[in-house]
Amino acid sequence: EVQLLESGGGLIQPGGSLRLSCAASGFTFKNYAMSWVRQAPGKGLEWVSAISTSGSSTYYADSVKGRFTISRDNAKNSLYLQMNSLKPEDTALYYCVKMSSDAFDVWGQGTMVTVSS
Amino acid sequence: QSVLTQPPSVSAAPGQKVTISCSGSSSNIENNYVSWYQQLPGTAPKLLIYDNNKRPSGIPDRFSGSKSGTSATLGITGLQTGDEADYYCGTWDSSLSARVFGGGTKVTVL
Repeated sequence: EVQLLESGGGLIQPGGSLRLSCAASGFTFKNYAMSWVRQAPGKGLEWVSAISTSGSSTYYADSVKGRFTISRDNAKNSLYLQMNSLKPEDTALYYCVKMSSDAFDVWGQGTMVTVSS
Repeated sequence: QSVLTQPPSVSAAPGQKVTISCSGSSSNIENNYVSWYQQLPGTAPKLLIYDNNKRPSGIPDRFSGSKSGTSATLGITGLQTGDEADYYCGTWDSSLSARVFGGGTKVTVL
């Protein structure tokens, strides 16, 4: 069974840093691009970042560019999101998502990030 | 303000059909594949349609997708109470170099 399990969320003060992790299983992780998508409470979906299979190419939404860094470890079947200079508007449920055929085909359950003083 | 425009809500009686529109532009929908996602209350989104009109295995043929020009449409026939959910369209935007979603449409079964 294909599974994505996020961790690392929590309550953090504005300006702080947090690192999200996503453990993948049930598929050949190194063969698929991956993304992070977030959803603020009561709001819609917002794509955050994506990374190529090898990790050599990364992409970011303008709202997080320069503050967030996506990375992956194919040997550990893991995806990461380093979040720095966090703002209250970054408060959201962060989903780890597998990409296939130009779509987000498998979603994790999400990890909640709350930025508040 | 989402790059892709969806109606906030649609509704119909059980057994009926609903369509959800997703309007974009030449930098996104017109020249890229569209996908659709279903988010049941309190759960993670699920892929319903990819490459404009293809269904992943396990998705019933009550769900269909189409695209014409700068717009895409999700159709749901034989509406069931279990279809009550938020539905999102998504695609790549070549001008923004970013993946974009519509604002979401809430489907209510009357």
